[in-house]
Amino acid sequence: AAGVIQSPRHLIKEKRETATLKCYPIPRHDTVYWYQQGPGQDPQFLISFYEKMQSDKGSIPDRFSAQQFSDYHSELNMSSLELGDSALYFCASRDRGRSSYEQYFGPGTRLTVT
Amino acid sequence: DQQVKQNSPSLSVQEGRISILNCDYTNSMFDYFLWYKKYPAEGPTFLISISSIKDKNEDGRFTVFLNKSAKHLSLHIVPSQPGDSAVYFCAASAGSGNTGKLIFGQGTTLQVKP
Repeated sequence: AAGVIQSPRHLIKEKRETATLKCYPIPRHDTVYWYQQGPGQDPQFLISFYEKMQSDKGSIPDRFSAQQFSDYHSELNMSSLELGDSALYFCASRDRGRSSYEQYFGPGTRLTVT
Repeated sequence: DQQVKQNSPSLSVQEGRISILNCDYTNSMFDYFLWYKKYPAEGPTFLISISSIKDKNEDGRFTVFLNKSAKHLSLHIVPSQPGDSAVYFCAASAGSGNTGKLIFGQGTTLQVKP
């Protein structure tokens, strides 16, 4: 079965640079979520999209923005990167139209800011 | 403010025995609960879920029990296998009408010894 695809898997950036993370949800899933997992921490919700509209926002810095495109893939844009942004970034997708609450996660992008 | 808590950072069990992972929550608005398993360098993998209208859900070797009055749930794995060794996250969602974002516990590292 098709899974959530994230790219790149690893990314190394310097402070103050920008980064773009991409997420391709499971086909026919209409909702995408982004989570950030710091070292030794639990995943923290950042932002979500349903049918290409932002549906919820968590503890996402103003330096970050995201969108969902017409093909349902999503991109997380991160600017003015800080050392504290180093983390695993997960994308998850869900078939909200089926009233299912299960989210399926991608393998994550490991961002290292130096 | 940790709304979902997994108070045991680690658990060690002998192969073939039962593993019991616990989770407590504080927000009475949560009405859907999920367990995820995570290996290093991979995204969380959905295991099993339970709606707040039930007190038990079973899927093969995995059973989740929910005690709403105590705001407590547990995951039972019987029999435990070495391949079950991973980090287990409990997650909660506030259901219908909500966007479905997940609030995670801190995780419990399960080690199943051969």
